[in-house]
Amino acid sequence: GAGVSQSPSNKVTEKGKDVELRCDPISGHTALYWYRQSLGQGLEFLIYFQGNSAPDKSGLPSDRFSAERTGGSVSTLTIQRTQQEDSAVYLCASSLAYQRLASYNEQFFGPGTRLTVL
Amino acid sequence: AQTVTQSQPEMSVQEAETVTLSCTYDTSESDYYLFWYKQPPSRQMILVIRQEAYKQQNATENRFSVNFQKAAKSFSLKISDSQLGDAAMYFCAYRSRLSGNTGKLIFGQGTTLQVKP
Repeated sequence: GAGVSQSPSNKVTEKGKDVELRCDPISGHTALYWYRQSLGQGLEFLIYFQGNSAPDKSGLPSDRFSAERTGGSVSTLTIQRTQQEDSAVYLCASSLAYQRLASYNEQFFGPGTRLTVL
Repeated sequence: AQTVTQSQPEMSVQEAETVTLSCTYDTSESDYYLFWYKQPPSRQMILVIRQEAYKQQNATENRFSVNFQKAAKSFSLKISDSQLGDAAMYFCAYRSRLSGNTGKLIFGQGTTLQVKP
């Protein structure tokens, strides 16, 4: 079956422009995560969606970052007025619904979008 | 807050040899998962192995095994009979099982593994 897909694969933009990054999760996965991987650093959590529940936005680094998930499927991460420090690989992951005491549900990752802000 | 530390930015191993990647973590929780992920140049993160904190037995997946020391908060990955395809960046990650947690992963900085033929 199809895995998690992300588009575009690479994005080059100029400082100050807005960008949109797209994630298509695995069909049937209700949990969706966005992570950011900056050069030389590990991945940092950005935002989490679970079904129709309010998203956990605790990892978003500034109010220039926002994300939405339409119809419980596709998600879009938007970065407004991009800065050079936003350059990174943005990874999306999906899993079956997260339940604390349930059997472990693996997060499946997409190939990421490499964002370069000039 | 939980943290994960990988103190080896780069490691190198000869093909067919064994290598161990180190990871330490800090948490006040008692119930959690630990993971090792592999990230090849394609950027696709692949789960290598996971460990439930309540299990004393170390997890094993074919050539990959872990040494989980809960009291020391240490979680190392051993790769036996290294193959060229093992060359990648490896990330150690933590996930809480506490109520209210979203299942988000907390990652270390990564270790780049080079496999020499």
